[in-house]
Amino acid sequence: GAVVSQHPSWVICKSGTSVKIECRSLDFQATTMFWYRQFPKQSLMLMATSNEGSKATYEQGVEKDKFLINHASLTLSTLTVTSAHPEDSSFYICSASRTGFTKSNQPQHFGDGTRLSIL
Amino acid sequence: AQKITQTQPGMFVQEKEAVTLDCTYDTSDPSYGLFWYKQPSSGEMIFLIYQGSYDQQNATEGRYSLNFQKARKSANLVISASQLGDSAMYFCATRPLTGANNLFFGTGTRLTVIP
Repeated sequence: GAVVSQHPSWVICKSGTSVKIECRSLDFQATTMFWYRQFPKQSLMLMATSNEGSKATYEQGVEKDKFLINHASLTLSTLTVTSAHPEDSSFYICSASRTGFTKSNQPQHFGDGTRLSIL
Repeated sequence: AQKITQTQPGMFVQEKEAVTLDCTYDTSDPSYGLFWYKQPSSGEMIFLIYQGSYDQQNATEGRYSLNFQKARKSANLVISASQLGDSAMYFCATRPLTGANNLFFGTGTRLTVIP
């Protein structure tokens, strides 16, 4: 159980294109999902916290107009990279925790990530 | 504030031997959880083991155990009987018990198991 599906797994597109990445919790409900970014050989850095039915909370330095997050249901959050440029090329990965499980020992379940390459 | 330090960028271990991956943390939260994740080259994050700051005993999950020393603020991962499939990046992470629910990650350690 506790499967998180992320789609697409790989995107290559031209500069200026907008790219949408989906994160779905397949067998549980997730009020909150998280979006991380990982550059090669670096750690995961939290970009934003996605809250179902409300606005996302962005980390300092992350452009909210650049990285649009929508969490329209308890099982789906989307990250849209608008007008992507080569410096946006990175590995984007989402995670989710089961709704109602607020104890810290509940692990976050991660999607398989999306490798975004902007030419 | 949370800060996770993994001082070993890379580690090598002989197959079937045990290896310890270091992790120290600095947090102002009174209660928190400590996690270890494995990231193979394919990119997915695989949850390995959890330790609560309030737990008296060290956590164990199969070949994984966590050497938790609260006074030293360290949470080292011990992998016993290493297998070739253990070769991957390993990340230590922490999360406060209350408030923000996201994970704070260390910089990771790349483990290579030698046949």
